[in-house]
Amino acid sequence: DQQVKQNSPSLSVQEGRISILNCDYTNSMFDYFLWYKKYPAEGPTFLISISSIKDKNEDGRFTVFLNKSAKHLSLHIVPSQPGDSAVYFCAASAGNQGGKLIFGQGTELSVKP
Amino acid sequence: EAGVTQSPTHLIKTRGQQVTLRCSPISGHTSVYWYQQALGLGLQFLLWYDEGEERNRGNFPPRFSGRQFPNYSSELNVNALELEDSALYLCASSFGTQPQHFGDGTRLSIL
Repeated sequence: DQQVKQNSPSLSVQEGRISILNCDYTNSMFDYFLWYKKYPAEGPTFLISISSIKDKNEDGRFTVFLNKSAKHLSLHIVPSQPGDSAVYFCAASAGNQGGKLIFGQGTELSVKP
Repeated sequence: EAGVTQSPTHLIKTRGQQVTLRCSPISGHTSVYWYQQALGLGLQFLLWYDEGEERNRGNFPPRFSGRQFPNYSSELNVNALELEDSALYLCASSFGTQPQHFGDGTRLSIL
């Protein structure tokens, strides 16, 4: 039962353009969502998070949007840079599960110069 | 500030053996989490320790166990290793409701 899904295994974007990574979830108890970036041979690095009481959170070039009715969140990177090339994971947690994170399968982003 | 550190970085074992993986959290973090990332799969939650107690457990058999020490470091033990245990094992730490920060993992290969 895949509660968090990233349906696009890969995405290719031109440098300077917008990258949009998508994530869908099925569990309505999820109330906290995070995005992580992972380079090969390194652990995931926290990027940005959003609580279910918000619909948008912004941090520099990264913005996360949450649509609770559609059970959908997205990460926008503007402008995209070659250094953003990595695998991006979305993750979700439910308050009654404490710190347990449920991860999507990841989307590999390639930003071409 | 030192990040989450894990040891060893790589490990090769054979079926039936036992293994212990270690994790030191970021200073000030009291919670430690363990995740498994098998080849081609996403990160799967294994265990959560907070203040020395096991708080939550993922859908893994009992041969996966661990503990958290008074200094908040943690060990993950896997007994009776099977081929499908080959994976990257990631440790994360956090304080309270802050986001989890991950180490670089231990790559375990079972022959």
